[in-house]
Amino acid sequence: GNSVTQMEGPVTLSEEAFLTINCTYTATGYPSLFWYVQYPGEGLQLLLKATKADDKGSNKGFEATYRKETTSFHLEKGSVQVSDSAVYFCALSSNTGTASKLTFGTGTRLQVTL
Amino acid sequence: DAGVTQSPTHLIKTRGQQVTLRCSPKSGHDTVSWYQQALGQGPQFIFQYYEEEERQRGNFPDRFSGHQFPNYSSELNVNALLLGDSALYLCASRPPGGRSSTSVYGYTFGSGTRLTVV
Repeated sequence: GNSVTQMEGPVTLSEEAFLTINCTYTATGYPSLFWYVQYPGEGLQLLLKATKADDKGSNKGFEATYRKETTSFHLEKGSVQVSDSAVYFCALSSNTGTASKLTFGTGTRLQVTL
Repeated sequence: DAGVTQSPTHLIKTRGQQVTLRCSPKSGHDTVSWYQQALGQGPQFIFQYYEEEERQRGNFPDRFSGHQFPNYSSELNVNALLLGDSALYLCASRPPGGRSSTSVYGYTFGSGTRLTVV
């Protein structure tokens, strides 16, 4: 079955530091890949996505590249801000059959300090 | 434009009771999915509704059931509540277009209903 593995948190960084959150996946077919962010007390917000190999998703300074050869979709940001503190979820949607549900990783908590 | 709306925001129930959670999808969306997010975990897929029918189901017991109405809103029902059912329940909606819509748009999530079973 499909699965997503994320690096465990929490990740604590100083403001303006470089961020990487690792995500690898196992899936049948050619899934679409997503990063969602969850701020305290809120639901999930779509941060970025990629639908095929070598696609780069980007939004609000965050980037992730769909790497089929390594089955990875690592999230990066060059300079984090305190406002980026949240939980980040990597997810996939399989493109085989009729399946369109999202399969999530366990989430990585990011804490950015001044 | 309102996003996905869920009610209530918080709920406390006693073990063995039944609960109904409600969801209004984003305007223009026709497919609704429900997820359970236990504390410190990622969301787990419960089921998906489209055209008022359950289309996909995750690994959840029959105590979990749902419904979709002609206006695309949805309900999640849980019978015989267990302590382990305590979680944040998230509703997510998607525009028409099937699997390709998921790829292009992802899902829009509501803020969830926090269910506590005591």
